[in-house]
Amino acid sequence: SQQGEEDPQALSIQEGENATMNCSYKTSINNLQWYRQNSGRGLVHLILIRSNEREKHSGRLRVTLDTSKKSSSLLITASRAADTASYFCATDVNNAGNMLTFGGGTRLMVKP
Amino acid sequence: KAGVTQTPRYLIKTRGQQVTLSCSPISGHRSVSWYQQTPGQGLQFLFEYFSETQRNKGNFPGRFSGRQFSNSRSEMNVSTLELGDSALYLCASSWLTGALTDTQYFGPGTRLTVL
Repeated sequence: SQQGEEDPQALSIQEGENATMNCSYKTSINNLQWYRQNSGRGLVHLILIRSNEREKHSGRLRVTLDTSKKSSSLLITASRAADTASYFCATDVNNAGNMLTFGGGTRLMVKP
Repeated sequence: KAGVTQTPRYLIKTRGQQVTLSCSPISGHRSVSWYQQTPGQGLQFLFEYFSETQRNKGNFPGRFSGRQFSNSRSEMNVSTLELGDSALYLCASSWLTGALTDTQYFGPGTRLTVL
């Protein structure tokens, strides 16, 4: 079963615009990670945010975490065509080690 | 530092056969996890190995098994293949620092097609 659910399932924007993806989960977590996947290839790690953190930045990426609402958002600013990919949030089950539960993903298309 | 490597990258098998997939983690990483990705079920956790021991197991039938060697390389085996086993199998490695989940680095995956 999937703990995380991304919203929207698909997003289409123009180059230069910002893209926001949301993730909701069900149970308590230690941390939440965001990954990118290009067309059926391996997953690329973007950001890990721990449960005691509220916001984290990495380049054009900004991730927020609201543990009271069990939700997270990923913001990509000034998007580029190369950002076209599927984005997944992944959560761990408390004290279960490296066992991630992934959401269904958001398919982002950035048009040049 | 080299990334996670998986072999083979593509595989075609027929129903009833068995298959072995291999994963070499990033040097120094001791935890290796396996995931199955299908269009219908998405990304699902199969199992995790740490120091040659299975630490966690997902909800998959006993036909799916794995092991880890002393050099942290891991293999997963699927016996008596079914059509529904067609998927992208992803391997991930991490340092596993303490009890908290660590960043997992994924390989390119093995695309298995069962005919």
